[in-house]
Amino acid sequence: GAVVSQHPSWVICKSGTSVKIECRSLDFQATTMFWYRQFPKQSLMLMATSNEGSKATYEQGVEKDKFLINHASLTLSTLTVTSAHPEDSSFYICSARDVWAHYEQYFGPGTRLTVT
Amino acid sequence: AQSVTQLDSHVSVSEGTPVLLRCNYSSSYSPSLFWYVQHPNKGLQLLLKYTSAATLVKGINGFEAEFKKSETSFHLTKPSAHMSDAAEYFCVVSGYNNNDMRFGAGTRLTVKP
Repeated sequence: GAVVSQHPSWVICKSGTSVKIECRSLDFQATTMFWYRQFPKQSLMLMATSNEGSKATYEQGVEKDKFLINHASLTLSTLTVTSAHPEDSSFYICSARDVWAHYEQYFGPGTRLTVT
Repeated sequence: AQSVTQLDSHVSVSEGTPVLLRCNYSSSYSPSLFWYVQHPNKGLQLLLKYTSAATLVKGINGFEAEFKKSETSFHLTKPSAHMSDAAEYFCVVSGYNNNDMRFGAGTRLTVKP
């Protein structure tokens, strides 16, 4: 089956620093990837849709200058949390969509970000 | 736009008894519907999905769900709960070509011995 990986799985950073999270589709090409955010004991909220070779589309209320998304290749999308603050601490999950598998979305294992 | 409502935030059952997790959806066109499970501090695992084929969908680990258009429902069931089923369950609706996946608030399933 299709596999999506995320790196790192867990990261701690200091307030004011930036952190980059990678999302990779390991055995298929993904023209579209999605980034979700999950606060403790809450549901997943779509943050942005990442399209290869073009700008990401952000959901209402998501600061695009704070959450930088780059989808430079068909197998890699990155989310950079800039000038992180404790309120950015969350579980970030990506998914990748396989157009050759009926547009199935495959989810990564998630990255837990803790900002101190 | 589409959305889902999970009718119970928490369901508690005894081991060996049936499980029912309720989900209603709203969509302006024929939706795709999914159930995912998330164990603590883990990623999502797909249980089953409906994509306009058979209305009764069988998934992994003995779970199944029935798509009822007249009731706009997609409830998840399992005949006999196991301790390992304790987790958070999400009902999800998506649009055309799985654009715009929307998650329900989640239902926490507790299984008592």
